[in-house]
Amino acid sequence: GQSLEQPSEVTAVEGAIVQINCTYQTSGFYGLSWYQQHDGGAPTFLSYNALDGLEETGRFSSFLSRSDSYGYLLLQELQMKDSASYFCAVKLDNQGGKLIFGQGTELSVKP
Amino acid sequence: EPEVTQTPSHQVTQMGQEVILRCVPISNHLYFYWYRQILGQKVEFLVSFYNNEISEKSEIFDDQFSVERPDGSNFTLKIRSTKLEDSAMYFCASIRTGTGYTFGSGTRLTVV
Repeated sequence: GQSLEQPSEVTAVEGAIVQINCTYQTSGFYGLSWYQQHDGGAPTFLSYNALDGLEETGRFSSFLSRSDSYGYLLLQELQMKDSASYFCAVKLDNQGGKLIFGQGTELSVKP
Repeated sequence: EPEVTQTPSHQVTQMGQEVILRCVPISNHLYFYWYRQILGQKVEFLVSFYNNEISEKSEIFDDQFSVERPDGSNFTLKIRSTKLEDSAMYFCASIRTGTGYTFGSGTRLTVV
């Protein structure tokens, strides 16, 4: 089977840093993606890791450890607009393979 | 920025009726997908489509579901005889190659 585990909810204050963890157990693995979803709208691509290490894109960074089947999304300088659901998703192959999503983490940013 | 467009945004249908959800993927993309999300739950893969044929489908995608790419732009999901449990948000997605899938804003399907 395929499973991705992430916390169901996280709360943080504006300006803070928050880390959302994801552990996965899947039949294949090509890379780990992160998506943001506001209020049930379109999931929006944030970042992708195929190799171990940290990828930085502005205020968002993502980390992967393939040996530990673990990754995280790091959000810095939190803003109110970052309140959303964040999903980790495993890409199973190099071609146009499907994504397997985690259950999502609801991030609430407080003033 | 190019978008994946889905219509309608909301669809209410009676149980047993057929529905067709429509998507216009990004024009130079090669792989097309349908996902669904039941309220409050994770996004689930339904089907992928490449080179004018289904490349993979999930257990959810049973004989009641079908997909078509009737012309060079549209990509449709048909549910032949809707059930209450088909109520969900349905997302179309596409990708050319690489890593970032582009999702449409979804069709909220309510079966009554």
